[in-house]
Amino acid sequence: NAGVMQNPRHLVRRRGQEARLRCSPMKGHSHVYWYRQLPEEGLKFMVYLQKENIIDESGMPKERFSAEFPKEGPSILRIQQVVRGDSAAYFCASSPGTVGMRELFFGSGTQLSVL
Amino acid sequence: AQKITQTQPGMFVQEKEAVTLDCTYDTSDPSYGLFWYKQPSSGEMIFLIYQGSYDQQNATEGRYSLNFQKARKSANLVISASQLGDSAMYFCAMKEENSGYSTLTFGKGTMLLVSP
Repeated sequence: NAGVMQNPRHLVRRRGQEARLRCSPMKGHSHVYWYRQLPEEGLKFMVYLQKENIIDESGMPKERFSAEFPKEGPSILRIQQVVRGDSAAYFCASSPGTVGMRELFFGSGTQLSVL
Repeated sequence: AQKITQTQPGMFVQEKEAVTLDCTYDTSDPSYGLFWYKQPSSGEMIFLIYQGSYDQQNATEGRYSLNFQKARKSANLVISASQLGDSAMYFCAMKEENSGYSTLTFGKGTMLLVSP
């Protein structure tokens, strides 16, 4: 049973370009969460999605950032017109649901570097 | 106010010794869960241990145990018989049940270095 898969592991973009980060949850998991980790910081919640629905995007910047989790395929975190301050590690986690959940299963993260 | 506070930016321990990593939390929610994650230099987040606010006993998982003191709102991680492979960042995190969703709030982490 494969874990949470994120790709790419490393992504380099120039300022103004778009970044697309992908996350495939564990098999049977329909809940996906995106977190951002700035250097020397803990993870900060960005957005929580279920299939085809954004449930909570309170941690996501209002501009340039968007997320989706389509019926088929991976969840995508999209950052338009990247700036140097977007450089961070972006983690995806999945869970089978919210009731009785004891842990989230994290992917290995995508390290975004903006030049 | 910080919801999760890890006051030790770095800790050093010798191999085979025990080490305690501190974590205090702040919540008014009577139902919550506390987690510890390990992040080695490779970057992945590895779940270590979980403690529920209503659990009567301290959680243990192999060499990891959680010293849960509810009145003090502390959830310290104890690693017994440290190994070189334990060198990593360690994050304490909390989920408040009334938040409705499975979102975790993380502390800033403690870097643990284990020396031979």
